[in-house]
Amino acid sequence: DGGITQSPKYLFRKEGQNVTLSCEQNLNHDAMYWYRQDPGQGLRLIYYSQIVNDFQKGDIAEGYSVSREKKESFPLTVTSAQKNPTAFYLCASSQGARQPQHFGDGTRLSIL
Amino acid sequence: RKEVEQDPGPFNVPEGATVAFNCTYSNSASQSFFWYRQDCRKEPKLLMSVYSSGNEDGRFTAQLNRASQYISLLIRDSKLSDSATYLCAVNLSNDYKLSFGAGTTVTVRA
Repeated sequence: DGGITQSPKYLFRKEGQNVTLSCEQNLNHDAMYWYRQDPGQGLRLIYYSQIVNDFQKGDIAEGYSVSREKKESFPLTVTSAQKNPTAFYLCASSQGARQPQHFGDGTRLSIL
Repeated sequence: RKEVEQDPGPFNVPEGATVAFNCTYSNSASQSFFWYRQDCRKEPKLLMSVYSSGNEDGRFTAQLNRASQYISLLIRDSKLSDSATYLCAVNLSNDYKLSFGAGTTVTVRA
């Protein structure tokens, strides 16, 4: 089945630690995205990538980093500079601009 | 003013009722619009795209009002399983980014 796989489902971060969230898609989509969702709020865009080896900052990129070395993979690193990382992180992909985005089932990150 | 706004609700309706709600957007040049459904602690799932002439998918009807810059979602013959948060998404800049509303919560009661 085609889809987007995020791992892990739950992640705990210690103070001062960097953690990496995995996102893999087999939909052959060019574009991939990372969002953060806080309770009762909408999705906020962290980073997005239109094509391999290229990515752009979204609205809340500070404290996060990404890479796009392969079409199917778009990992997100939450660095120690992100002081409030507790949230639900969602990865998405789309065929292109102005197309609907399809989501993975998310990673819940908490601070220990 | 937020770029994409939704009435948070909640809309509490009995089974079989019709419920409708809107989503306003800030950029009159926006071209792409979508409705997503999000269940508690789950990922958003695409419900339907919204086309200029309006479109229907079973009990769900989506409409676009460009003059007043809003989209709407109507659910007919509500089922208990329709209870969820409905997110609108707008491609404000006609690029790759979607802007999401904070969601409208619908609760269908027996």
